[in-house]
Amino acid sequence: QITLKESGPTLVKPTQTLTLTCTFSGFSLSTSGVGVGWIRQPPGKALEWLALIYWDDDKRYSPSLKSRLTITKDTSKNQVVLTMTNMDPVDTATYYCAHRKLHTNAIDYWGQGTLVTVSS
Amino acid sequence: DIQMTQSPSTLSASVGDRVTITCRASQSISSWLAWYQQKPGKAPKLLIYKASSLESGVPSRFSGSGSGTEFTLTISSLQPDDFATYYCQQYNSYTFGPGTKVDIK
Repeated sequence: QITLKESGPTLVKPTQTLTLTCTFSGFSLSTSGVGVGWIRQPPGKALEWLALIYWDDDKRYSPSLKSRLTITKDTSKNQVVLTMTNMDPVDTATYYCAHRKLHTNAIDYWGQGTLVTVSS
Repeated sequence: DIQMTQSPSTLSASVGDRVTITCRASQSISSWLAWYQQKPGKAPKLLIYKASSLESGVPSRFSGSGSGTEFTLTISSLQPDDFATYYCQQYNSYTFGPGTKVDIK
């Protein structure tokens, strides 16, 4: 059974760096084809894809946010970490961690999401 | 960047109706398209991948079609559990569409 759970701060100040951790179970990020990504959703708005890391450490980023994002993995801990620099109130959103469906880049398992508010 | 549009943005329908949602890509994405259903306060749920493949466990009233730049999600007979927001996603470069809310007429 695949599960993912996001953890991190619920409140960050403008200009600060956000660090979110995704802890997962039911699969290994060292297995060929596996990927874990991050998607966010501002309150009342649409989903926005952020980043994805593959089992071979290949990484993909949203072009519009690429300069602010870093995604890393710790295979031994079954964790993926997303950092986003220079946070702004418009970055207030629910951040989801998600599992890439094998042989596609669709998302077949999602975490419950964590709401991050950016405010001074 | 590949841009995604969806129409309509809101759709009012009744139980039993046949519902069709359209998703368009700004350039060809072959069949690299997924559809998700999201209910308030919940994470999205994968319905369709590779444009027309039904995800395991998803009712057969959901179907997807299309390729290239135009895609459709069809619900053959709308059920009470289907009132939700639907998103398409192209996974050539991962962009989501703006969503279509299906509500009760």
